[in-house]
Amino acid sequence: EIVLTQSPGTLSLSPGERATLSCRASQSVTSNYLAWYQQKPGQPPRLLIYGASSRATGIPDRFSGSGSGTDFTLTISRLEPEDFAVYYCQQYGSSPRTFGQGTKVEI
Amino acid sequence: EVQLVESGGGLVQPGGSLRLSCAASGFTFSNSWMTWVRQLPGKGLEWVANIKQDGTEKNYVDSVKGRFTISRDNAKNSLYLQMNSLRVEDTAVYYCARGSGWIYPWGQGTLVTVSS
Repeated sequence: EIVLTQSPGTLSLSPGERATLSCRASQSVTSNYLAWYQQKPGQPPRLLIYGASSRATGIPDRFSGSGSGTDFTLTISRLEPEDFAVYYCQQYGSSPRTFGQGTKVEI
Repeated sequence: EVQLVESGGGLVQPGGSLRLSCAASGFTFSNSWMTWVRQLPGKGLEWVANIKQDGTEKNYVDSVKGRFTISRDNAKNSLYLQMNSLRVEDTAVYYCARGSGWIYPWGQGTLVTVSS
């Protein structure tokens, strides 16, 4: 199974700053089948990015994904107050699907 | 509007069984792979199982193989997760979600607590 390691565990930033979140896979992710999700307390995860770099419907363009192979990045260009949450990466190139352990973006 | 509503969670003793249901609406259920994902209390996400549109292909994470069974009823637009031989470590919020690769949307989840 592919293990995804996210870093950092917690990112402390201010509104307006840029956030860079990393997701590293233990082996190459097939066809860059990697997604990013945002989760706020008491809510289910929300899909942000799929295919490593494609934004899901309704996701603001301040969210962008990049990377290939084993190294992927989620960038939030300018943090808005509603962006403070936990972010997870997920690979779906092989079974079982796996998630990273999450990065918390806090003020 | 696409909607997924889970039910069937609750408190069960170790070794017991529980059946989760997920009612789907707002999309063509019979055309969609479906997935169960769980979240341990205060922890991250764990993919549990998925099932093909016609139910002919099912995949499970190793930790639930032989204990959990995913199924669906396309006539009722419903997804199920039969959980047997439950363990304390199965305690989690269980989410139903649409898709096999990236998964969207997700239901609100149902809490399963395994405790004596």
